[in-house]
Amino acid sequence: GDSVTQMEGPVTLSEEAFLTINCTYTATGYPSLFWYVQYPGEGLQLLLKATKADDKGSNKGFEATYRKETTSFHLEKGSVQVSDSAVYFCALSGQTSYDKVIFGPGTSLSVIP
Amino acid sequence: DGGITQSPKYLFRKEGQNVTLSCEQNLNHDAMYWYRQDPGQGLRLIYYSQIVNDFQKGDIAEGYSVSREKKESFPLTVTSAQKNPTAFYLCASREVGGGGRNSPLHFGNGTRLTVT
Repeated sequence: GDSVTQMEGPVTLSEEAFLTINCTYTATGYPSLFWYVQYPGEGLQLLLKATKADDKGSNKGFEATYRKETTSFHLEKGSVQVSDSAVYFCALSGQTSYDKVIFGPGTSLSVIP
Repeated sequence: DGGITQSPKYLFRKEGQNVTLSCEQNLNHDAMYWYRQDPGQGLRLIYYSQIVNDFQKGDIAEGYSVSREKKESFPLTVTSAQKNPTAFYLCASREVGGGGRNSPLHFGNGTRLTVT
């Protein structure tokens, strides 16, 4: 079945450091890919998405490119801030809207001043 | 503003009691979902519903029940049969049909249930 694998962390970075969180997936066909962010005590929020190969999703300085050849969707940010401290989830949605959304285990990020 | 409302934010129950968690959305979404999140872990799907009066079991449905009598409401009951009910419960919704597979999940802010 479909699955998502991501580095589990925790990841600790200094402010203004470069961030990469790796995400790879296994799926039949052409899934849509998402990154969600969860701040402490809250639900998940959509961070960015990409719906076809070579698409780049971006939001709030975060970027991720849909790489079908490597089945990857790595999240990057050039300069992290303390306010980026959160848990980040990679997810995929199957070929139809009736398919379930599959989440990775989440990566906890702490940014220290 | 459109969104998903989960209530209450914190819920405490004694072991052996059933408890119902509320989830209401005004996004006009057909599909609704319940997830369970345990500390340091990802999300596990409990139940989902693609349309009113229909729902399917997710990966961990045992000990839970749901109903979908109205499009905007999808309450979850945690029964006494659920062996480890203490967790953070998240409700979500999304569009279905057409370009729905590209539409993201919209989440509520969760209910933290503690059973002692």
